[in-house]
Amino acid sequence: QSALTQPASVSGSPGQSITISCTGTSSDVDSYVSWYQQHPGKAPKLIIYSVSKRPSGVSNRFSGSQSGNTASLTISGLQAEDEADYYCSSYKSTSTLFGGGTKLTVL
Amino acid sequence: QVQLVESGGGVVQPGRSLRLSCAASGFTFSRYGMHWVRQAPGKGLEWVAVIRYDGSNEYYADSVKGRFTISRDNAENTLYLQMNSLRTEDTAVYYCAKEGSYAVTSFDCWGQGTLVTVSS
Repeated sequence: QSALTQPASVSGSPGQSITISCTGTSSDVDSYVSWYQQHPGKAPKLIIYSVSKRPSGVSNRFSGSQSGNTASLTISGLQAEDEADYYCSSYKSTSTLFGGGTKLTVL
Repeated sequence: QVQLVESGGGVVQPGRSLRLSCAASGFTFSRYGMHWVRQAPGKGLEWVAVIRYDGSNEYYADSVKGRFTISRDNAENTLYLQMNSLRTEDTAVYYCAKEGSYAVTSFDCWGQGTLVTVSS
């Protein structure tokens, strides 16, 4: 069982905003949280690193934040192409933890 | 562009061995730590192993420790995963991933994955 807990599913309508949470212990949810997007049959793609930084080329509709033991991914202005699985991760010096993943459905 | 291409997957019986490869291109391979991450059918991501940029250190998930070995050949820009004593629960798509250019705490490039099926 993952030490990072995510909701199994979230949904939203086009144009709306949604937030996916990632909860763990204080040692698991720190400044090294990343988020990945994975479409069916595809490799994961990095969309947020170091809690809130976006790699070059990632839409500014994706944003990350952290409060206490919970990291969050917010997607604003939902689009059909955002429908995918999303995973949080936490880096440790000798391992990496992944959350269980959240399936986002765009209604 | 940065590219990772895995190979070596297939169907193998429990208890047997398999070696995966990951060919890297488009970046200076010898400067980055590299990881293996797997995904069982219909399941989430599971980190498997990491090797430092110079091969000086390796770390493994408890689920594979003592059975899997990660290695690299910086001259050939290739990452490997030697998998021994395979179990049915090792069935998964195996991805190689590069540590981030701006944050080693993330994976900024992933291969397309190679499927390993452990079955009798």
